[in-house]
Amino acid sequence: TQLLEQSPQFLSIQEGENLTVYCNSSSVFSSLQWYRQEPGEGPVLLVTVVTGGEVKKLKRLTFQFGDARKDSSLHITAAQPGDTGLYLCAGARGNTPLVFGKGTRLSVIA
Amino acid sequence: KAGVTQTPRYLIKTRGQQVTLSCSPISGHRSVSWYQQTPGQGLQFLFEYFSETQRNKGNFPGRFSGRQFSNSRSEMNVSTLELGDSALYLCASSWEGGFDTQYFGPGTRLTVL
Repeated sequence: TQLLEQSPQFLSIQEGENLTVYCNSSSVFSSLQWYRQEPGEGPVLLVTVVTGGEVKKLKRLTFQFGDARKDSSLHITAAQPGDTGLYLCAGARGNTPLVFGKGTRLSVIA
Repeated sequence: KAGVTQTPRYLIKTRGQQVTLSCSPISGHRSVSWYQQTPGQGLQFLFEYFSETQRNKGNFPGRFSGRQFSNSRSEMNVSTLELGDSALYLCASSWEGGFDTQYFGPGTRLTVL
């Protein structure tokens, strides 16, 4: 059973389009982290959201943590080829290891 | 500050062999975690070491083991390799482990033939 479900699994869009990826769970998390992984590299942290309902912006990326702290979304405005990669969400519960979703593989075509 | 380094980057082994992977964390980080990443299962937690002690362990068979040295460097060992062990093995370090931000290395790509 996957604790964190990410959707869609794959996304291929044209440069300039907007997109949203989702990270859902039936469990409550104390915080949620989003990572991006590029080919041949390990995941790199983009943002951590901690408070239910919190919205964080990182240039063209907007992250939201659900009010109940069970889900999160990542919205990218005007996607660019440099946004291509695997986007992973990871949930934290207390001092236990992070739980990762399987990821959304994004391809932005110029 | 140097990032997390992993050696080797690529490895090809045959079934039944054993393998040892190495990870050097960011200076000052006391926690080292290991993950297995496959297309089908995603990132799965193997174990975490903190100050030379295994603090958390995932649901992997006993063939997977690890250790951490006094300088925080860590090694992971897989014995009696199976085809299904082919994966990208990622090491991540952090200050406190657990919910703390994980800083990942580039991984070791293991192929078992």
